[in-house]
Amino acid sequence: DTAVSQTPKYLVTQMGNDKSIKCEQNLGHDTMYWYKQDSKKFLKIMFSYNNKELIINETVPNRFSPKSPDKAHLNLHINSLELGDSAVYFCASSQDHEQGNGYTFGSGTRLTVV
Amino acid sequence: AQSVTQLDSHVSVSEGTPVLLRCNYSSSYSPSLFWYVQHPNKGLQLLLKYTSAATLVKGINGFEAEFKKSETSFHLTKPSAHMSDAAEYFCVVRGYSSASKIIFGSGTRLSIRP
Repeated sequence: DTAVSQTPKYLVTQMGNDKSIKCEQNLGHDTMYWYKQDSKKFLKIMFSYNNKELIINETVPNRFSPKSPDKAHLNLHINSLELGDSAVYFCASSQDHEQGNGYTFGSGTRLTVV
Repeated sequence: AQSVTQLDSHVSVSEGTPVLLRCNYSSSYSPSLFWYVQHPNKGLQLLLKYTSAATLVKGINGFEAEFKKSETSFHLTKPSAHMSDAAEYFCVVRGYSSASKIIFGSGTRLSIRP
């Protein structure tokens, strides 16, 4: 009965590869997010989708492409992986994109690029 | 534009003593403010949130925070620390508009001494 689930939990891959991280929420929320947490624990928003529509697109390399096939899913595809992409990626959801709603986070995907 | 500053990167207290984690924010309009906790190798869990209702907000696990507009602060407190409180804590601010970005503080690591 996990609310926000991400797969895989760990991902080790070589530079130059293409990889995807999947996220699903069963809370009936309209809005989903991808965050990147670097080695210093700093969290930065990457993307946000509301009901399958992109509403926040931070300045990230265009090697990162989110896809939302429906409002319960938000996947992240990364092309040509680089060493600097190593981080923990968190998926989150909220009831909608209004100001006061908190988020429910997944447990994270630890990506290591070697 | 909004920003958030967590004044301490690391706080260490003895079990049973009070906890104070400091957070200052900057926002052009009335913000929403949140505290999240991240236990080692886990996702982020919402502790509490302020959304312009009562200025003293009570959260889970005995934590509370007080919104002080004059001081632009939203410090997190707990009367008596427990070993299970050891974790990373993030203060989060979100601005007025529905498209406002969610900004995370840099985090405060709370250690509990036996």
